[in-house]
Formats: sequence, C-alpha cells, structure tokens
Amino acid sequence: EAGVAQSPRYKIIEKRQSVAFWCNPISGHATLYWYQQILGQGPKLLIQFQNNGVVDDSQLPKDRFSAERLKGVDSTLKIQPAKLEDSAVYLCASSLVYRGGAEAFFGQGTRLTVV
Amino acid sequence: GNSVTQMEGPVTLSEEAFLTINCTYTATGYPSLFWYVQYPGEGLQLLLKATKADDKGSNKGFEATYRKETTSFHLEKGSVQVSDSAVYFCALSDQGTGNQFYFGTGTSLTVIP
Repeated sequence: EAGVAQSPRYKIIEKRQSVAFWCNPISGHATLYWYQQILGQGPKLLIQFQNNGVVDDSQLPKDRFSAERLKGVDSTLKIQPAKLEDSAVYLCASSLVYRGGAEAFFGQGTRLTVV
Repeated sequence: GNSVTQMEGPVTLSEEAFLTINCTYTATGYPSLFWYVQYPGEGLQLLLKATKADDKGSNKGFEATYRKETTSFHLEKGSVQVSDSAVYFCALSDQGTGNQFYFGTGTSLTVIP
C-alpha cells in the first residue's frame, strides 16, 4: 500500500515570498490533516478535512495560510506571505475513518526554511 | 481541553538497558492513546496504540498500558537496541473533537553500543 506522499521535501524561501505544499493521502482515506512541527516541539494541527469539507481550522493563521482539498483527495497548503517564524516541518497525515482510535498515517513532511 | 505531557529529553541509554518514557494526558472525553516514533529524516510512524482503559498496546518489544486512574500511557521496553534511537511522541485522539490528534513535545532517545 502506498503511503502519504508529500512534495517538495525541502524548500528555502525569503520572507514575504509565497510557497505551496502538496499532499496525496492514502487512497480511500477520508480524513486529511496538516500539521506544523517546529524544531523541538510536537506537531500542531493546522487544519483537518473530512472528504473535502473542513472539520477544524481554528489554529490556521488565516491571514497568511490557506488550504484546500480538491475532490476530497489531494490537498495543498499555501503560505503567503511567509514569515521567519513559519520555518518548520509541515506534515500531512490521513486516516481511513472518522472515529476514535483510528490511526493517522503521516507523510515524510516538507521542511520549510524562511530566510 | 485535550493535552499531552511527556518526559523531557534527551535520553541516552546503553544497549540492553530498560527504557521508560513517561506520558500523561488531559482529555475532555474518552480518548484513544498512541505512541508514534520518528526516525531521523522520516515521518511519524505508529508504534502502538490503546483505545480504552486497561488496554495494553505492544509492538517491537515496546509496551504501554492505558491507565485511566492516573491518566497515563508510559512507554516501556525491556532491552533497547541501537536501532531504537529516534524521537518518540505520545499522542491522543478524541472522537469528541473530531478525531483530532494532540501530541506531546517528543522525547529523543539515543542508544549507545
């Protein structure tokens, strides 16, 4: 079974530039998550989709971050404009079912460096 | 609200030593509990999980028991190997909050030969 695919693996941009990350979840997984992992910290949820609807985006900085999930499959996360504090690893995860106890499968992440 | 607190690292052990990484949680509902592991340069992988009180999750020699009375889910392994060197994350998911995952800060483990 193919895992969660993310691209790019690494990205370096200057502050105030824009950047986009792409995620392809495991086939058939209805729930998709984007997490931000700052160095030395645990992952923090940015946004959660169920199919192509948003379940929770309460921690997404909406003035600069946006995300969409096309046709309930692939998803993109965009930052515009980027700030230095956005330097982090952005993790995408997916889950088969929308219920407690279901495992989340993670991609390898995109490491963003803002200079 | 929901939160996870886990033992600060880094932890350095000699091969074949006993490992314990403490994890406690706060939850508004009835959470499921997880341990994820992150090897260098890789994404998070599920190590084990438990979905109700007194359940024991186990995998690759690691174990953790869901203790509702102490709100804990401590990770243990009787004899660590060099290949266990990684960062370990305790997490919970709560169906009451849409199966969102809440993670601890992670504990870095280094096993030396």
